[in-house]
Amino acid sequence: GEDVEQSLFLSVREGDSSVINCTYTDSSSTYLYWYKQEPGAGLQLLTYIFSNMDMKQDQRLTVLLNKKDKHLSLRIADTQTGDSAIYFCAESWERDDKIIFGKGTRLHILP
Amino acid sequence: EAGVAQSPRYKIIEKRQSVAFWCNPISGHATLYWYQQILGQGPKLLIQFQNNGVVDDSQLPKDRFSAERLKGVDSTLKIQPAKLEDSAVYLCASSLASGVEQYFGPGTRLTVT
Repeated sequence: GEDVEQSLFLSVREGDSSVINCTYTDSSSTYLYWYKQEPGAGLQLLTYIFSNMDMKQDQRLTVLLNKKDKHLSLRIADTQTGDSAIYFCAESWERDDKIIFGKGTRLHILP
Repeated sequence: EAGVAQSPRYKIIEKRQSVAFWCNPISGHATLYWYQQILGQGPKLLIQFQNNGVVDDSQLPKDRFSAERLKGVDSTLKIQPAKLEDSAVYLCASSLASGVEQYFGPGTRLTVT
């Protein structure tokens, strides 16, 4: 079945690292994504990882994939106030296929 | 490069009325998607077009929702008649054929009273 689960809220102090976790149920998913949604804005793709990879790093972002446990995480180093948003974990089977989204994790930055 | 355009940005209607949303994808993007995002949830695909053909409309409530992309560019999504549970943000996205990244528009926030 299609299901993506993630915690709803996360509070982090400015300058600390944020780690947002996600689990998915479909082992045939090929692409796993992290999208960011700021208030009143559409979704912005932050990064994605192929299912045959276990890690991807892009500047302050690190994605870890544990395919055996169907667990995906997004680490944001040196969290800034501009990182305050809702982060969606998502999966798809093929390129240009529909994307199955989780409910999103609201990241709150503490001063 | 211009992004995905959607209009209107906001719409308030009464239940049983009709409403239509418009989307203009990024130039050259063959694939167009309509998603429904209910408050507190992630987006859910309603319909996917490849050029002007429907690829997936399995989650579209066809008794009240319809969508078209006649010339393979712009698309409209219509709801007739609207129900209270249709209150949501309707997101349009586009991608290159066989592209991994979907580019999302700002969405249309629909409130049905």
